[in-house]
Amino acid sequence: QQQVKQSPQSLIVQKGGIPIINCAYENTAFDYFPWYQQFPGKGPALLIAIRPDVSEKKEGRFTISFNKSAKQFSLHIMDSQPGDSATYFCAALIRGYQKVTFGIGTKLQVIP
Amino acid sequence: DTEVTQTPKHLVMGMTNKKSLKCEQHMGHRAMYWYKQKAKKPPELMFVYSYEKLSINESVPSRFSPECPNSSLLNLHLHALQPEDSALYLCASSQERGGWGNTEAFFGQGTRLTVV
Repeated sequence: QQQVKQSPQSLIVQKGGIPIINCAYENTAFDYFPWYQQFPGKGPALLIAIRPDVSEKKEGRFTISFNKSAKQFSLHIMDSQPGDSATYFCAALIRGYQKVTFGIGTKLQVIP
Repeated sequence: DTEVTQTPKHLVMGMTNKKSLKCEQHMGHRAMYWYKQKAKKPPELMFVYSYEKLSINESVPSRFSPECPNSSLLNLHLHALQPEDSALYLCASSQERGGWGNTEAFFGQGTRLTVV
């Protein structure tokens, strides 16, 4: 059972574009939502995270939007660069409980 | 220091071999994890150690044997693996408890394991 649904699975944008990756969750007990960036052959690296009492969070060119009533959240990458080409995973967890539920991942390619 | 260090980076082993993967962190995290990641898939949880005790085993076959010698180290002992066990094995750590921002897992670079 996929508890965090992520789309699209792949995405190609031109440099400077704003790719958007969407995630939806089912378990209302989730109370923390991190995003991970993974380059080929490397481990996932924490990118940005949001809690459900916040509707938006920005860190540099990365923004998370969160809609608690719709149980959806999304990642926007402003002014995307070829170096942003990677696989992005949304995730959800219950603080204090050790299992992280990952989305299926989105492979992003930013072309020059 | 926000690093989780895994060794070796690459490992090729035969189906009759015994090998170990190692993981180390010095962030004072008391939860440590082993994940398995197949190509084009998200990480899949295998084991969780909390305060050096095994707290979660996701029904992993006994040919994988975890060990947590101390709060900074985590090992994964491998024996009689199958070719389908070939994958990227990721170690991660996180705070055991904490407020907002203390719950994310930090991942190592992984060990690329090939079973021949």
